[in-house]
Amino acid sequence: SQQGEEDPQALSIQEGENATMNCSYKTSINNLQWYRQNSGRGLVHLILIRSNEREKHSGRLRVTLDTSKKSSSLLITASRAADTASYFCATDEPGTYKYIFGTGTRLKVLA
Amino acid sequence: NAGVTQTPKFQVLKTGQSMTLQCAQDMNHEYMSWYRQDPGMGLRLIHYSVGAGITDQGEVPNGYNVSRSTTEDFPLRLLSAAPSQTSVYFCASGPFGTGDTGELFFGEGSRLTVL
Repeated sequence: SQQGEEDPQALSIQEGENATMNCSYKTSINNLQWYRQNSGRGLVHLILIRSNEREKHSGRLRVTLDTSKKSSSLLITASRAADTASYFCATDEPGTYKYIFGTGTRLKVLA
Repeated sequence: NAGVTQTPKFQVLKTGQSMTLQCAQDMNHEYMSWYRQDPGMGLRLIHYSVGAGITDQGEVPNGYNVSRSTTEDFPLRLLSAAPSQTSVYFCASGPFGTGDTGELFFGEGSRLTVL
């Protein structure tokens, strides 16, 4: 399978705490993206980081990328109950238009 | 602005039946794609298109056909449904064509059960 992997598979934290989830992938990439999926809904784009970038911020989100280790992490600071969702990373290989998604991390934020 | 619209939202088929999942986008996106989502498997790419008249296979294309006659529409056809095709199907589009990639916009999904 070409799929990337994310860990942990599931994460449960208290409101106000930080949540960190990790993504590993298998091939070289153009960019890496993170998406959120609320239960029973479609995926929503959160943030994109290009292969020549190492860190990117957007609001309470911080993404890092280590292309030498083929890994990325997503940090959500000061989590809220509304952050409860599944989070997926997605990569695309240079020269193709195939987006490969990870298996996802299920985040539960307890109020 | 409707974004990406998928129909139907729910469908039950018997083994061997055929059907088409519809996907339409009103954002003038060149890129469109179909994924299936199964428990524990994440999303797997079935087929994708970088413009009208151009389609290509993804990771799991067997049992599915696509065509792209217009920029707006990208239907997914199941010619002879099998229980292994029971899944949630997502259509996604992107504002890019050849030479670049970027953010995908997803529909709300079509839940298919094959008995």
